[in-house]
Amino acid sequence: AQKVTQAQTEISVVEKEDVTLDCVYETRDTTYYLFWYKQPPSGELVFLIRRNSFDEQNEISGRYSWNFQKSTSSFNFTITASQVVDSAVYFCALSGWKTGANNLFFGTGTRLTVIP
Amino acid sequence: EPEVTQTPSHQVTQMGQEVILRCVPISNHLYFYWYRQILGQKVEFLVSFYNNEISEKSEIFDDQFSVERPDGSNFTLKIRSTKLEDSAMYFCAIMTGTYEQYFGPGTRLTVT
Repeated sequence: AQKVTQAQTEISVVEKEDVTLDCVYETRDTTYYLFWYKQPPSGELVFLIRRNSFDEQNEISGRYSWNFQKSTSSFNFTITASQVVDSAVYFCALSGWKTGANNLFFGTGTRLTVIP
Repeated sequence: EPEVTQTPSHQVTQMGQEVILRCVPISNHLYFYWYRQILGQKVEFLVSFYNNEISEKSEIFDDQFSVERPDGSNFTLKIRSTKLEDSAMYFCAIMTGTYEQYFGPGTRLTVT
């Protein structure tokens, strides 16, 4: 069974602080995909990243970085120098590799509030 | 980033009524998905659709739900007899050839 756990329900940081959002997953699949989505107050789901399970290289995109560790089944997301516009709910998600089994299993989300 | 639109943005309906939610991907895609999000909760998978047929569905997707792609572009979700607990945000998504899933803006369904 696929499961994603985001233990941090809510996090508040002051602008310009760094913040890390945790994601732990469970799957029996040997290959799979991991995702992060942002849901701002307007409600849409914004794609941030997709990661293959066989690629453990960390990724950086501007102020965003992701740390994938297969040994601990974690895929953590760090925002550097946070800004007020980063305030949103962030969801981690997992999908299978096999075509036709790619539906996303979401975690419960972490609500990030960046205080000016 | 592929664009996906959904109509209507908000639908209010009475319990027992049928509703049809529509999704229009702007470019050609083969894989379509419906997800729902009850207010304040996580996003849940409903159904996936590939090559004009359902490829996978969750236990939420019971006989009250159906999907189709009637004209080769629109992708619809029908709820035959709505219940109060169907009130949620419904998201359509497409999957690209690189397995990225992009979501539409959602339809907020309110059942009274």
